[in-house]
Amino acid sequence: QSALTQPASVSGSPGQSITISCTGTSSDVGGYDYVSWYQQHPGKAPKVIIYEVINRPSGVSNRFSGSKSGSTASLTISGLQAEDEADYYCGSYASSGTPYVFGAGTKVTVL
Amino acid sequence: EVQLVESGGGLEQPGGSLRLSCAASGFTFNTYWMRWVRQAPGKGLEWVASIKGDGNEKYYVDSVKGRFTISRDNAKNSLFLQMNSLRADDTAVYYCARGGPGRSLDIWGQGTLVIVSS
Repeated sequence: QSALTQPASVSGSPGQSITISCTGTSSDVGGYDYVSWYQQHPGKAPKVIIYEVINRPSGVSNRFSGSKSGSTASLTISGLQAEDEADYYCGSYASSGTPYVFGAGTKVTVL
Repeated sequence: EVQLVESGGGLEQPGGSLRLSCAASGFTFNTYWMRWVRQAPGKGLEWVASIKGDGNEKYYVDSVKGRFTISRDNAKNSLFLQMNSLRADDTAVYYCARGGPGRSLDIWGQGTLVIVSS
């Protein structure tokens, strides 16, 4: 059982916006602005697309945005494109137990 | 170019040992935390271990404590994971990753597959 809770799947049509949630506790997501989001295409290594809740690394499309409210972080993909079809994982620093925790992942399907 | 390249995976019997290596290039290796993350077939990501830039702090997920050892050789820009007493549930692709801003994992290797089976 993963420490952070994500929906198993989210889908949308090209051009639409979708949001993926990531729920933790006050010991991880809720307690620190150390939430990251990772994109993983089949057979490839994960790639960070959001760090510190809202920041995008250089080269990552501005269609990806992050936010947080309480112990729930969210990733929004706007203007959905076929290339966005992938698995998305949230990750967070945690102050108790395992020092870094991931969600179980969300499969994004572009209809 | 910033790059991480893992090696050392393979097929090992339960109870056996393997040593994974990760060669780093393109950045000042000794100033970064480094991590091992694994992904079992068809499953999600699991953080395994972390080590500070100077090697003086190490952390492990409970399931590998006492069996796995993370280490680094800063002179050779290399990260290691010594895995002993391997179990079937250690079967996974193992990635090395660099600790980036906000405790993120900002650079990942391509992964190396470890299969534990008799």
